[in-house]
Amino acid sequence: AQTVTQSQPEMSVQEAETVTLSCTYDTSESDYYLFWYKQPPSRQMILVIRQEAYKQQNATENRFSVNFQKAAKSFSLKISDSQLGDAAMYFCAYRTGGSEKLVFGKGTKLTVNP
Amino acid sequence: DAGVTQSPTHLIKTRGQQVTLRCSPKSGHDTVSWYQQALGQGPQFIFQYYEEEERQRGNFPDRFSGHQFPNYSSELNVNALWLGDSALYLCASSLSSGYYEQYFGPGTRLTVT
Repeated sequence: AQTVTQSQPEMSVQEAETVTLSCTYDTSESDYYLFWYKQPPSRQMILVIRQEAYKQQNATENRFSVNFQKAAKSFSLKISDSQLGDAAMYFCAYRTGGSEKLVFGKGTKLTVNP
Repeated sequence: DAGVTQSPTHLIKTRGQQVTLRCSPKSGHDTVSWYQQALGQGPQFIFQYYEEEERQRGNFPDRFSGHQFPNYSSELNVNALWLGDSALYLCASSLSSGYYEQYFGPGTRLTVT
């Protein structure tokens, strides 16, 4: 069974600094996708960044980037120049190529201190 | 362009009752997925609807059922509610073909007393 593990229930960062959120996953599939979603207090899940497993290059979206280590089954999210609006729950998620079912981790609560 | 909408926002039910939650997908999307998010947990996949049929199902009992209408909107029905069904129910829509991201709605907070 595919599982996603986020080992950091809570993280905090100072405004303008950099923080890295960890995620590991377990799968025997070769075709899969990985995602980071943000869920602010408004509850709406927002896609932050995605990574296709077949791509070696790490995905980047503005201040958000990932470190995808396929052999180690690790998929961490780096947030640079943290802003107050980045405060939220962050969920790592996985999906196989043959399915649209997303498997989520338990989340990491990120606090940004001014 | 309206995103995914869900109704109601909140509701409170009593054990044993039945509930229906509604979802309208993002414009142009034809696939709807439902997730249950218990407090302090990540969302759990319930099922997915495409072309008015259940295409994929997670590990949820038959008390959870759904429906998709010709306009792609969807309903989630839960019968014989348990206290453990209290959760945030999220709807996500996407396009059926190829790889497309899922767009989530704001959710319905269900409390069972």
